[in-house]
Amino acid sequence: KQEVTQIPAALSVPEGENLVLNCSFTDSAIYNLQWFRQDPGKGLTSLLLIQSSQREQTSGRLNASLDKSSGRSTLYIAASQPGDSATYLCAVRLITGGGNKLTFGTGTQLKVEL
Amino acid sequence: DADVTQTPRNRITKTGKRIMLECSQTKGHDRMYWYRQDPGLGLRLIYYSFDVKDINKGEISDGYSVSRQAQAKFSLSLESAIPNQTALYFCATGRRDRSSEQFFGPGTRLTVL
Repeated sequence: KQEVTQIPAALSVPEGENLVLNCSFTDSAIYNLQWFRQDPGKGLTSLLLIQSSQREQTSGRLNASLDKSSGRSTLYIAASQPGDSATYLCAVRLITGGGNKLTFGTGTQLKVEL
Repeated sequence: DADVTQTPRNRITKTGKRIMLECSQTKGHDRMYWYRQDPGLGLRLIYYSFDVKDINKGEISDGYSVSRQAQAKFSLSLESAIPNQTALYFCATGRRDRSSEQFFGPGTRLTVL
């Protein structure tokens, strides 16, 4: 059974700091990995999607990497801002089972302080 | 306007009541999903649908049923709500291509007393 782990569970950093969020998964047979942002009381916003054949994706101050063989992904946030405060979730889409669902980690709660 | 909408956004109900949560999408996607989110457990898949009238169980379907009468709508029902169904429920959509991303609605917070 695929398990997705995110470390740390919570993180507090001062504004302007660069930071890395980690995601690990046990089954490397994946179609892709998706990073989401969740704000309190709101839904999930898709940040980046990395296909299994890709090594990284970039969007603005965000950069996500994927090392499928080791079962790891990182989300790098440059020059963090208070508006980045949210819970960040990673999810993998397995090849087994027809790729019909995402398996989620439990998230990293990020707080960026002034 | 939001691409994936859910109604209601919040609902408080009593044990034994029948509840229906609605999801609508304007993205034109074939696939629709229902997930629930519980603290410390992440999101788990309840049901999913590839097309109108197509229904598939996810990992935690017991106590739930769904209906897909139109491409744009996917409803989730709790036939007889129980307290451990208190959770945040999300609807999601996706294209037929398995390499594509999923898009989520804003969620429905359901409390069963």
